[in-house]
Amino acid sequence: DIVMTQNPLSLSVTPGQMAPISCKSSQSLLQRDGKTHLSWYLQKPGQPPQLLIYEISKRFSGVPERFSGSGSGTDFTLNISRVEAEDVGLYYCMQSLQFPLTFGGGTKVELK
Amino acid sequence: QVQLEESGPGLVKPSGTLSLTCAVSGGSISSDNFWSWVRQSPGKGLEWIGEIYHRGDTHYNPSLKSRVTISVDKSMNQFSLRMYSVTAADTAVYYCARGDPLPLDYWGQGILVTVSS
Repeated sequence: DIVMTQNPLSLSVTPGQMAPISCKSSQSLLQRDGKTHLSWYLQKPGQPPQLLIYEISKRFSGVPERFSGSGSGTDFTLNISRVEAEDVGLYYCMQSLQFPLTFGGGTKVELK
Repeated sequence: QVQLEESGPGLVKPSGTLSLTCAVSGGSISSDNFWSWVRQSPGKGLEWIGEIYHRGDTHYNPSLKSRVTISVDKSMNQFSLRMYSVTAADTAVYYCARGDPLPLDYWGQGILVTVSS
């Protein structure tokens, strides 16, 4: 299985500040067709995960521009440019290159 | 917009069978998508269980493959999960979600299943 490792485990951020979250995969997520199968999710308290970013940097429908993804191969980053109160929750990365799909352990984002 | 809703017993006895259904609305289960089950327990985080295509093609997590069956009912626009020989370790919130071509883009609200006598 591809192992997904996230850092940090938790992040305390001042509203309006930037929050970077790192995700590393145990092998490259680049497929032969040129797509890299790395996604980001936000799980707000009491809710299911919601898709934010797919294929490293493509924002899903309705996702605010303050969320951006970057990286390549095995190293990826989710950036929240100006954290708002509604952004608190658990962030997960996920690989969908090969079965089984696997998730990172999660990063908890809270406000200072 | 596609909506998914899980249903089924919230309590299952050890060694019994967990049976859940995911009803799809706002879209057809016969669309060009795979349909997944994912679970979340405090000890193991998010764990992908498996997926099914409307033609019946399935993929399973090898760690659960021997105990899991995912099926589809096109007439009811729903798909189902059966997990056999459950133990307390299978206690979790179970989610259904739509996948491929985009990765798990729509999720149900989830259903808590507790394995206990």
